[in-house]
Amino acid sequence: GENVEQHPSTLSVQEGDSAVIKCTYSDSASNYFPWYKQELGKRPQLIIDIRSNVGEKKDQRIAVTLNKTAKHFSLHITETQPEDSAVYFCAASRTPTGGSYIPTFGRGTSLIVHP
Amino acid sequence: GAGVSQSPSNKVTEKGKDVELRCDPISGHTALYWYRQRLGQGLEFLIYFQGNSAPDKSGLPSDRFSAERTGESVSTLTIQRTQQEDSAVYLCASSLSERNYNEQFFGPGTRLTVL
Repeated sequence: GENVEQHPSTLSVQEGDSAVIKCTYSDSASNYFPWYKQELGKRPQLIIDIRSNVGEKKDQRIAVTLNKTAKHFSLHITETQPEDSAVYFCAASRTPTGGSYIPTFGRGTSLIVHP
Repeated sequence: GAGVSQSPSNKVTEKGKDVELRCDPISGHTALYWYRQRLGQGLEFLIYFQGNSAPDKSGLPSDRFSAERTGESVSTLTIQRTQQEDSAVYLCASSLSERNYNEQFFGPGTRLTVL
């Protein structure tokens, strides 16, 4: 099955700095890579996702890059703000071909943005 | 419209008792997932329902865990003879279908504490 590794487990930055979170996956058939943000005591929410037919996607201060050859993808947050402080989860999955669609999540990165 | 809802929000029980957790997915969402999130940990997949297909139970940690779903609506997760290691937040998520790259919408979770 799929195995997703996420690093670092904790990331502390100053407000305005950039933050990068990296994930690797093992299943070369994986083709969908979402990122979820979970604020303290709240539910995870999708912030950005990328499909295997593109290498990069941006949404304002957030971007995700994908390297299918190396089987890794990264979340980039620029001009970080205190409200970006949360736990971020990456995930990998593939569209089902007779099986079920179950994403495999990374263990999460706790991002702390200091004002 | 209404998002995914879960009840109860908190449940405290004694070791050995049975508990039942409820999830109401977003109307029209055919896929439903249950996850377990221990304190400070990632999302551990438990079980997946897709329409009228047989559920994927590959993530259930023991035969004390079971889940049901009525059609494409409410799901219940039952834990029998609870143990202290069952203490965690149990998250439910739903998505539109498995056929496309679909965002998972999470409920607020049920925090289970086994004394």
